[in-house]
Amino acid sequence: SSELTQDPAVSVALGQTVRITCQGDSLRSYYASWYQQKPGQAPVLVIYGKNNRPSGIPDRFSGSSSGNTASLTITGAQAEDEADYYCNSRDSSGNHRVFGTGTKVTVL
Amino acid sequence: QVQLVQSGSELKKPGASVKVSCKASGYTFTSYAMNWVRQAPGQGLEWMGWINTNTGNPTYAQGFTGRFVFSLDTSVSTAYLQISSLKAEDTAVYYCARTERDNWNDADWFDPWGQGTLVTVSS
Repeated sequence: SSELTQDPAVSVALGQTVRITCQGDSLRSYYASWYQQKPGQAPVLVIYGKNNRPSGIPDRFSGSSSGNTASLTITGAQAEDEADYYCNSRDSSGNHRVFGTGTKVTVL
Repeated sequence: QVQLVQSGSELKKPGASVKVSCKASGYTFTSYAMNWVRQAPGQGLEWMGWINTNTGNPTYAQGFTGRFVFSLDTSVSTAYLQISSLKAEDTAVYYCARTERDNWNDADWFDPWGQGTLVTVSS
C-alpha cells in the first residue's frame, strides 16, 4: 500500500504530552518527515530523518519510528502547537512521495 | 536566506489554463529538486510530483498526468506548474517545496515551502 494513515484528531491539555502516529508499509523502509500547518499558512517542517529538528523548531518536538509506524511527540504542548500535522514519506516503490491523512491537534 | 516565492492568486473559468510560478532564491536552484503539492479547500496535502531541476525531467503522481505540466526556467531560478482544461475540482492552493536530502542516511524531506497560490476555477 502507498497510503499513510493518521488519526484525524487528538487533543492535549496545555503542558502535557501528545503523540501523533503515522502508519504505512513504506515506513518499514523509509524515514518519515513531519509538517505543521496552521490555518491559512503554508506547511512548516518540524521533524526529518531519524529525529532531527530544523533550526527554530522547539525541542519539545521529537520523532521516532518502529516497524510500520512513525510518531511525532510534543512534550509539554503549548497553545501555539495547535495545528494540523502531516507525515510524509516515500511510497513502497521508493519513487514517489505520499502524505499522511493529517491529524488536527487541539490544545485544551 | 533560502526562500520560495510563488505567484499570486488566480481566478479562471472552466476549460482555461493557468501557470503558477515558484521563484527560488538563496541557494543554487539546480542543486535541489522541486515538488508540487495540492491542497483542496478543507482537505489534506496531496503530493503532485517533482521535477529534477538539473535535467528538467518531471515525475507525476497518479492522478496528475495529462493536464498537469511541470517546467523550469533555470535562468531565473523559477519552477512552473501549468494546469490545462481547468475543472472546478482543480480549485485548491498549490504549493512548491524544495527537496532536501541526506544521502548518508537515505532520508529526504521538503524545506522550505512556498507561500502557496490559490487557484479558483469558477464560471
